Amino acid sequence: GQNIDQPTEMTATEGAIVQINCTYQTSGFNGLFWYQQHAGEAPTFLSYNVLDGLEEKGRFSSFLSRSKGYSYLLLKELQMKDSASYLCAVMDSNYQLIWGAGTKLIIKP
Amino acid sequence: GAVVSQHPSWVICKSGTSVKIECRSLDFQATTMFWYRQFPKQSLMLMATSNEGSKATYEQGVEKDKFLINHASLTLSTLTVTSAHPEDSSFYICSARGAGGFYEQYFGPGTRLTVT
Repeated sequence: GQNIDQPTEMTATEGAIVQINCTYQTSGFNGLFWYQQHAGEAPTFLSYNVLDGLEEKGRFSSFLSRSKGYSYLLLKELQMKDSASYLCAVMDSNYQLIWGAGTKLIIKP
Repeated sequence: GAVVSQHPSWVICKSGTSVKIECRSLDFQATTMFWYRQFPKQSLMLMATSNEGSKATYEQGVEKDKFLINHASLTLSTLTVTSAHPEDSSFYICSARGAGGFYEQYFGPGTRLTVT
């Protein structure tokens, strides 16, 4: 079967760095996405990785290792507005997105 | 660019009635639209995938006669929840993908449905 695993909840301090991990087992692989979702809102796109390595975009970076079926989202200089759920999703061989359950990130002052 | 709108943003209806939710791509042609449902504190659950001009493909466990999906044009898809029950209360989100690529999905803002 297809499976995406990520921690349910994480807590971090404002100004610090946090890494959210995601492991996956899917039928084929056409890329891995990270989305941010604030409570009561739709997801917003953060990053897309299809090749191994690190993609940096401002305070957010995303890493992918296809051989390990592993990705992480790194958030630096955390701000209170970063409190949200972070969803990992893998596009399978049929170009369908397989979603993780999401990681709720709580930022404390 | 790549804006997707949904209407209404929230709706309350009585049990047994039907509710229609519209999803529009405002500045691109959406060859494929996806409908998701999300219960509180849970991740997105794909309900169905629709391609313009053809019947929607429903995920296992989703009743196609209860959740009617129409994708009549390249900018509009509708989801009709028929004979709604309180357990249908949820956050319904659509997303759209253009003909230009297989990779990006653009999400609408979601519709919160409450069935009383």
